[in-house]
Amino acid sequence: EPEVTQTPSHQVTQMGQEVILRCVPISNHLYFYWYRQILGQKVEFLVSFYNNEISEKSEIFDDQFSVERPDGSNFTLKIRSTKLEDSAMYFCASSGGGSGANVLTFGAGSRLTVL
Amino acid sequence: GQSLEQPSEVTAVEGAIVQINCTYQTSGFYGLSWYQQHDGGAPTFLSYNGLDGLEETGRFSSFLSRSDSYGYLLLQELQMKDSASYFCAVNRAGTALIFGKGTTLSVSS
Repeated sequence: EPEVTQTPSHQVTQMGQEVILRCVPISNHLYFYWYRQILGQKVEFLVSFYNNEISEKSEIFDDQFSVERPDGSNFTLKIRSTKLEDSAMYFCASSGGGSGANVLTFGAGSRLTVL
Repeated sequence: GQSLEQPSEVTAVEGAIVQINCTYQTSGFYGLSWYQQHDGGAPTFLSYNGLDGLEETGRFSSFLSRSDSYGYLLLQELQMKDSASYFCAVNRAGTALIFGKGTTLSVSS
């Protein structure tokens, strides 16, 4: 079964450092997303990406965050200068077109710990 | 803005039936989805209701009433492996999925 792959599974970084989280969405999917989940809390939307551009972003997705689809397979989330409150599990997700757009397939997540 | 309300915790025993309710307030409502998450792992899709009524998938069913801004997930013949967090989420036209805070289901023997 096709899956969304995320790397790294866990990253520990110092406050103020840049972090890049990587995702390989399902190959024929059209919509790509980043969500985050602070431990024990709900899954929060960060950003969606379609047709090589951001289609929607939440208030969490400030200037410290950026996304990129550098080639036909990877989708990355960059946090420019990490803060303690950025510690969370970051989930990448993708969905297909048409009725498939309603079904998101999530990756296993990248746990970010900011010290 | 949008809001979703669901109970924070539900407990049940193996073999029982449990219903997790979800009420929502949002503009541009398109449909209601349910996702399951085990121990902070990847949320996995369970069901989607775009129309009023009941959708059944094996032991799991989901219901939507647009007029009441209400839906529920029904889990039958509960098994220990059903212990997980369950999130309702609103699909809005042309925008990303927004999740509720989740319901932790604990199934005991």
